[in-house]
Amino acid sequence: GAVVSQHPSRVICKSGTSVKIECRSLDFQATTMFWYRQFPKQSLMLMATSNEGSKATYEQGVEKDKFLINHASLTLSTLTVTSAHPEDSSFYICSASGQVNTEAFFGQGTRLTVV
Amino acid sequence: GENVEQHPSTLSVQEGDSAVIKCTYSDSASNYFPWYKQELGKRPQLIIDIRSNVGEKKDQRIAVTLNKTAKHFSLHITETQPEDSAVYFCAASGTGNQFYFGTGTSLTVIP
Repeated sequence: GAVVSQHPSRVICKSGTSVKIECRSLDFQATTMFWYRQFPKQSLMLMATSNEGSKATYEQGVEKDKFLINHASLTLSTLTVTSAHPEDSSFYICSASGQVNTEAFFGQGTRLTVV
Repeated sequence: GENVEQHPSTLSVQEGDSAVIKCTYSDSASNYFPWYKQELGKRPQLIIDIRSNVGEKKDQRIAVTLNKTAKHFSLHITETQPEDSAVYFCAASGTGNQFYFGTGTSLTVIP
């Protein structure tokens, strides 16, 4: 299958700082990228969907100004957690899809810890 | 958006028995239904998917059925093996190309 690389895999930051997470499709053009948050032993909660060159579509309850998503190219999307707080600590995972309603490939995830 | 419900949340079966996981969805416009397997500490991987124009699809020990009228779909694993132990997620995707996941089923296959 296609490869999606997410970086960093683990990050610890101080409360009040911002953290950027990158999601890259290595061998295909990702027209759509998705960002999820996963709590321990829980499901993947869709945060936002981003299409290359347009603004991300955020799910209800997800703060746009806190979770900034940029999808500047067909192979790269970034999620920036701004002014991070301990409650933002979680596992963030991206996925990418090349065509509408086809398999979405996942990155390896980023474990964010805010101290 | 779409609302996907998944049952059961945990499932234990004896090796060799079958396992069935069921999902329902709310948006009748959803037309693509993938199933993902997530092993501990790893990323979700697609194991099988089905589109709304098909009622059933099988791949070796894994099968998926879809009932569009009732808006539910199920994953069937036959002859389960210990390596099938993982968390399984169903998902639904429609015209917006957003993937909404079910709450997950933790499957344990007892040797």
